[in-house]
Amino acid sequence: QVQLVQSGAEVKKPGSSVKVSCKTSGATFSTHAINWVRQAPGQGLEWMGGVIPMFGKRNYAQNLRGRVTFTADESTSTAYMELSSLGSEDTAVYYCARGDEMATITSSFKYWGQGTLVTVS
Amino acid sequence: QSALTQSASMSGSPGQSITISCTGTSSDLHGFNFVSWYQQHPGKAPKLIIYEVTDRPSGVSSRFSGSKSGDTASLTISRLQVEDEADYYCTSYTTNSTWVFGGGTKVSVL
Repeated sequence: QVQLVQSGAEVKKPGSSVKVSCKTSGATFSTHAINWVRQAPGQGLEWMGGVIPMFGKRNYAQNLRGRVTFTADESTSTAYMELSSLGSEDTAVYYCARGDEMATITSSFKYWGQGTLVTVS
Repeated sequence: QSALTQSASMSGSPGQSITISCTGTSSDLHGFNFVSWYQQHPGKAPKLIIYEVTDRPSGVSSRFSGSKSGDTASLTISRLQVEDEADYYCTSYTTNSTWVFGGGTKVSVL
């Protein structure tokens, strides 16, 4: 079955950057969009953006454009999310998620990683 | 892109039905059928329960159903059960090629 496994929790200083990984197993990696969603403590879900590895196509949430970068290593089926210029408002659980449909960002998020807590302090 | 609008909380008794609404705009809900609903229990990752307005992934209970009219999507939970107590989020694809989530609805089963 499809599994997404994320890297472990991080504690970062304000102004620094963080890079979270998301490794896919049990399914084709490069043809499906990997999306990133975050959730601040006690708050709702926020879509950050996504990437379709095979096409190198990236979409970004407007409010994060310029601070977030999505990359993908097809050789290891691993997607990465890097967020720079961290502030306290970036403290959140970060999730990767993907759908079932190939080559489209409109596929709903059927499979989720376990989440990675990033604390900025 | 503003968040979709959901009621903050709803409650019901076991066996009852509740309907959660999600209101958007012509730039998201009204213009697309890429509307999904997610259930999230405390400390867990969200779970997809409805996609493309009305479809249920394999393994999701038929007690969950979705619909849409104009700018508003709805999730109905029939025959409410204790394990349905969770947060529920709607999301829609948008004209900016992005996704936008609702603020979430906390469902309590009394």
